[in-house]
Amino acid sequence: ETGVTQTPRHLVMGMTNKKSLKCEQHLGHNAMYWYKQSAKKPLELMFVYSLEERVENNSVPSRFSPECPNSSHLFLHLHTLQPEDSALYLCASSQESSPSIRDTQYFGPGTRLTVL
Amino acid sequence: AQKITQTQPGMFVQEKEAVTLDCTYDTSDQSYGLFWYKQPSSGEMIFLIYQGSYDEQNATEGRYSLNFQKARKSANLVISASQLGDSAMYFCAMRGSIGGFKTIFGAGTRLFVKA
Repeated sequence: ETGVTQTPRHLVMGMTNKKSLKCEQHLGHNAMYWYKQSAKKPLELMFVYSLEERVENNSVPSRFSPECPNSSHLFLHLHTLQPEDSALYLCASSQESSPSIRDTQYFGPGTRLTVL
Repeated sequence: AQKITQTQPGMFVQEKEAVTLDCTYDTSDQSYGLFWYKQPSSGEMIFLIYQGSYDEQNATEGRYSLNFQKARKSANLVISASQLGDSAMYFCAMRGSIGGFKTIFGAGTRLFVKA
């Protein structure tokens, strides 16, 4: 496989469930990102990992818990979510391990999450 | 604070014609990068084109070009010879030199290409 893959593509969960989103990048990149895309709102950065270390945490509620076991894999663990957490969750990766204005992010297809 | 503004929520263009999607930005950074992404209904954000704030030439990538006017803080995307497959959401984004890994995105413009 090439690029950035995300599983599952669609997820429906109740507020008491625990689930995980998975992202894998096959580009040899050093940084990985989680974004939330809600209807009629700009893309919101949630977390950034560089070389498996979390470098950005954008005031995200603790019911979202990221994990980056290696530079190719990124997880988002979900528990006791709220209906307003329903959104498209996008994973991205980029080459640089240090911030650079030229560092292009490449995105996966996203996971469409619905919280009932 | 950094901000990206895309004032056109929706745009229509006839197939084979050119279209310009507007993007203005606000930043106090001296050095920054500007990006355009395409998001089809499938959801994936596809990178289209990049312009650096110190690049003297406007960026071009195939049918995509960026009309960069630094003094006016605008970075409009021009799509030439529109195709039906160009129908999608288009997002302008910016990363500054002092914002770390943060990239801010505009609200997007939905482009409809008519046959």
